[in-house]
Amino acid sequence: QLQLQESGPGLVKPSETLSLTCTVSGGSISSSSYYWGWIRQPPGKGLEWIGSIYYSGSTYYNPSLKSRVTISVDTSKNQFSLKLSSVTAADTAVYYCARLVAAAAYYWGQGTLVTVSS
Amino acid sequence: QSALTQPASVSGSPGQSITISCTGTSSDVGSYNLVSWYLHHPGKAPKLMIYEGSKRPSGVSNRFSGSKSGNTASLTISGLQAEDEADYYCSSYTSSSLWVFGGGTKLTVL
Repeated sequence: QLQLQESGPGLVKPSETLSLTCTVSGGSISSSSYYWGWIRQPPGKGLEWIGSIYYSGSTYYNPSLKSRVTISVDTSKNQFSLKLSSVTAADTAVYYCARLVAAAAYYWGQGTLVTVSS
Repeated sequence: QSALTQPASVSGSPGQSITISCTGTSSDVGSYNLVSWYLHHPGKAPKLMIYEGSKRPSGVSNRFSGSKSGNTASLTISGLQAEDEADYYCSSYTSSSLWVFGGGTKLTVL
């Protein structure tokens, strides 16, 4: 059974960089069939796609976040990561990682709350 | 890239059928058969209910069905049950290999 688990600081100061890692178990992140993505949900709001990465390293970002987002993959650790720079309170959200096939997220992590506050 | 448009809320009584619409554009919903639907209970991970417009993952009840007409996709839930009460989100593949979600619909089972 594939499992994804987000990890990283739960509190980030304004203007700093948010960094999260998603660890994949029960399957290989190097499979050619899948993309790996980050999605977030601010409190009281809907889901927002942040970006996706292919195991080869090809990345696709939400245009509204593109200037601040970097997603990378570490196949040796079966992990992929999210960095979001210059964060503000508007970046406070539950962040999910997921595995995507044909633009559908079949497997999700449980989510991790990241609060941006001084 | 604008979010797909969903009604903020829908409601129905147990046993009834409801439909949630998801309106996009010719750059996303209208051009690709890659609409998916998710059930989301707050505090939990979203659950995939429909993919590629009308396909159900293994284990999802056949009470859930998806369809599309033009730039609008729809999720229909028949035989409504109390456990169906949740937030529902649609998403679609878009041009340039991007992905977009709808704003979400809160389903209330009366």
